[in-house]
Amino acid sequence: DIVMTQTPLSLSATPGQPASISCKSSQSLLHSNGNTYLYWHLQKPGQPPQLLIYEVSNRFSGVPDRFSGSGSGTDFTLTISRVEAEDVGVYYCMQGLQLPITFGQGTRLEIK
Amino acid sequence: EVQLVESGGGLIQPGGSLRLSCAASGFTVSSQYMSWVRQAPGKGLEWISVIYSDGSTHYAESVKGRFTISRYNSKNTVSLQMNNLRAEDTAVYYCARSLTFGDTAPGYWGQGSLVTVSS
Repeated sequence: DIVMTQTPLSLSATPGQPASISCKSSQSLLHSNGNTYLYWHLQKPGQPPQLLIYEVSNRFSGVPDRFSGSGSGTDFTLTISRVEAEDVGVYYCMQGLQLPITFGQGTRLEIK
Repeated sequence: EVQLVESGGGLIQPGGSLRLSCAASGFTVSSQYMSWVRQAPGKGLEWISVIYSDGSTHYAESVKGRFTISRYNSKNTVSLQMNNLRAEDTAVYYCARSLTFGDTAPGYWGQGSLVTVSS
């Protein structure tokens, strides 16, 4: 199984300031078709997860442009350029390269 | 608009069985990959099963042999039959759809259905 490791596991951010989360996979997520199957989901309090970023750096429909994803191979980063109060929740990276699909442990973002 | 609505959760005794359903709208379940993902109380996300558009199925080791994913094209629903339930199966169960055809990874999520296994 591919192991996904996120750091940090908790994050306290100041509104208007940037924040970033790292995700490392135990093997490359690059498929032979050239796509890299790394995703980011956000689970707001009391809600189901929602997709933010797919294939490393593509924002899902309706996701604000303050969210961006980057990385390649085994190292990935989710960046929030200017944190807002509505961004609180738990962020999960996920790999979709091979079964079983696996998630990182989650990073809890709180607002200072 | 893609919508997924789970039903069928509840309290069940260890060793019992339960069937979850996921009603889909805005697309046809036979044209996408459909997964179940669960979340134990206070814990992270765990993928447990997928059914592909060709009908093939795959399971996490933790549920293999006990859970069965099925699809009912006429009702546009997906189900998860859970047998021989254990306390560690207690979780919110999410139905999820792939983002695009051919992409296994969940992109759309339902609201979830809580399953509690306890005597």
